[in-house]
Amino acid sequence: AQKVTQAQTEISVVEKEDVTLDCVYETRDTTYYLFWYKQPPSGELVFLIRRNSFDEQNEISGRYSWNFQKSTSSFNFTITASQVVDSAVYFCALSEAQGGSEKLVFGKGTKLTVNP
Amino acid sequence: DVKVTQSSRYLVKRTGEKVFLECVQDMDHENMFWYRQDPGLGLRLIYFSYDVKMKEKGDIPEGYSVSREKKERFSLILESASTNQTSMYLCATAFPGKSSYEQYFGPGTRLTVT
Repeated sequence: AQKVTQAQTEISVVEKEDVTLDCVYETRDTTYYLFWYKQPPSGELVFLIRRNSFDEQNEISGRYSWNFQKSTSSFNFTITASQVVDSAVYFCALSEAQGGSEKLVFGKGTKLTVNP
Repeated sequence: DVKVTQSSRYLVKRTGEKVFLECVQDMDHENMFWYRQDPGLGLRLIYFSYDVKMKEKGDIPEGYSVSREKKERFSLILESASTNQTSMYLCATAFPGKSSYEQYFGPGTRLTVT
């Protein structure tokens, strides 16, 4: 069965600190996709990134970067120079294809609080 | 931009009531999903639909049913609401047959059953 583990339930940092959110996944599929979503206090999940299992290149987008390592089944998310607006719950997710329909398996989320 | 709307942001219902949560999308996506979100449990899939009148159970379908009469609308029904169904309900949509494509989420409905 597919599973996503986000071991950090809550993280609290001070503004401008770097912070890494961990994500470990389990799957028997050889082709799969990994995602990160952000849920700010307003409640709506916002898509951040998608990565397929054949692309292990790290990705950087502004202050955000992602490190995908198949050898350790991890897809970690780093925020550099954190800001108060980064405060949110972050979810890691894994795609699951079953009978032609796609589902996402989510981790339980990491609540990040960035203090001024 | 994809737009996914949910009928209410906040809803308060009494135990035993029949509750309808509506989700509407404007991007012609075949796939639609209903999740519930609870503290410490993350998002759990209740039901999903990959076509009109088609539905499949997710991980926690007990106590819920769904309706998809039109492509753009996916309704979640609580036949007889109970207090343990107090939760945040999130609707999502996605392109069909493309697990590479992300799901787009609505703003959520926070349901309280008293």
